[in-house]
Amino acid sequence: DADVTQTPRNRITKTGKRIMLECSQTKGHDRMYWYRQDPGLGLQLIYYSFDVKDINKGEISDGYSVSRQAQAKFSLSLESAIPNQTALYFCATSDPGSRSGELFFGEGSRLTVL
Amino acid sequence: AQSVTQPDIHITVSEGASLELRCNYSYGATPYLFWYVQSPGQGLQLLLKYFSGDTLVQGIKGFEAEFKRSQSSFNLRKPSVHWSDAAEYFCAVGGEYGNKLVFGAGTILRVKS
Repeated sequence: DADVTQTPRNRITKTGKRIMLECSQTKGHDRMYWYRQDPGLGLQLIYYSFDVKDINKGEISDGYSVSRQAQAKFSLSLESAIPNQTALYFCATSDPGSRSGELFFGEGSRLTVL
Repeated sequence: AQSVTQPDIHITVSEGASLELRCNYSYGATPYLFWYVQSPGQGLQLLLKYFSGDTLVQGIKGFEAEFKRSQSSFNLRKPSVHWSDAAEYFCAVGGEYGNKLVFGAGTILRVKS
């Protein structure tokens, strides 16, 4: 089983719908992240959380919200999806004790907004 | 502000040939540098990282990278490419403990037989 699990892996939805992407991890890491990947743009940070009571905006948080339900669970929501939110979304974790801050990624959730 | 430039969007090499993927960065403090690989349908996997010590670092799958502070570069190399190396490669730079991590746009590697 994967250490970082994302659900759903693929989702097609319509403009205006509410969508939730879920992430769970078994690595025991306190830090969790949501990234968005677009072709030619690399990965952009949406939100991150350093523990259950900590939520921080990343560089592209507009139109998104998150919830850290437990150390192991971090969900990303699109309250009213729009077509330019069509992208590949990645959840990642890191160990706060790791000086390098290496990230461990899930397999991604591909979202298409029609 | 920190940034990462991967000048090559696509690279095609023959199987068995050598490979070099370029990465240039801008960072105002001691950089922590990474190369990640993304195979089709998969998440990103760490190939190697550098933050101190020997400027030539070895990673998984036979990859290595060299940190050149004077050139602000961290190029990825492999002496002999295998068909299974076809993937997208991302360079990233950040500070200590992953602070302000920034990714490059990626380089797609195609391997021809």
